[in-house]
Amino acid sequence: GAVVSQHPSRVICKSGTSVKIECRSLDFQATTMFWYRQFPKKSLMLMATSNEGSKATYEQGVEKDKFLINHASLTLSTLTVTSAHPEDSSFYICSALGTGGLASYNEQFFGPGTRLTVL
Amino acid sequence: AQRVTQPEKLLSVFKGAPVELKCNYSYSGSPELFWYVQYSRQRLQLLLRHISRESIKGFTADLNKGETSFHLKKPFAQEEDSAMYYCALSGGSGNTPLVFGKGTRLSVIA
Repeated sequence: GAVVSQHPSRVICKSGTSVKIECRSLDFQATTMFWYRQFPKKSLMLMATSNEGSKATYEQGVEKDKFLINHASLTLSTLTVTSAHPEDSSFYICSALGTGGLASYNEQFFGPGTRLTVL
Repeated sequence: AQRVTQPEKLLSVFKGAPVELKCNYSYSGSPELFWYVQYSRQRLQLLLRHISRESIKGFTADLNKGETSFHLKKPFAQEEDSAMYYCALSGGSGNTPLVFGKGTRLSVIA
């Protein structure tokens, strides 16, 4: 079946540094990927929509200069948290939109998430 | 505005009892509705979607456009059903993102 991976699964960094999180669709191509943030005991909050070969679309309130998204290929999107601060500590989840084949149309497949802790 | 409401944060039932997880939505067009489940320490995964009209792991959900609801039901709860359940809505066309409810934690007690 369709699988989405995320790397790293867990990262701890110092305040002021940048962290890159990768999201890969392993056995299907995804022209669209989504990045979510999940706070403890809260729902998923959509941060941005990442389209292959074009600029990401950010949700209101999400700083595009803070959360850089690059979707350079049909199987990879990256989220870079720049100049991270403790309030950026969270669980970041990506999903890839299926376009057919192993990935059913219009079904989102989720990665396992990345736990970011900023000290 | 698109919105998904799951009124219960936590639902506890005994094993073998019926389960109903409530979901109401607001959307101006014809949405596509989903239920996602997240078991402990696992990723979010699709449980069912309204267009497929399937029964997955004994769960069913019927879209009621009049009541704008998409409640998830199972006649006899099992311990392995304990998980976090999210109702979600999509615009239904192309690459529209999902709008999630806040989730309901189902706890099935033996």
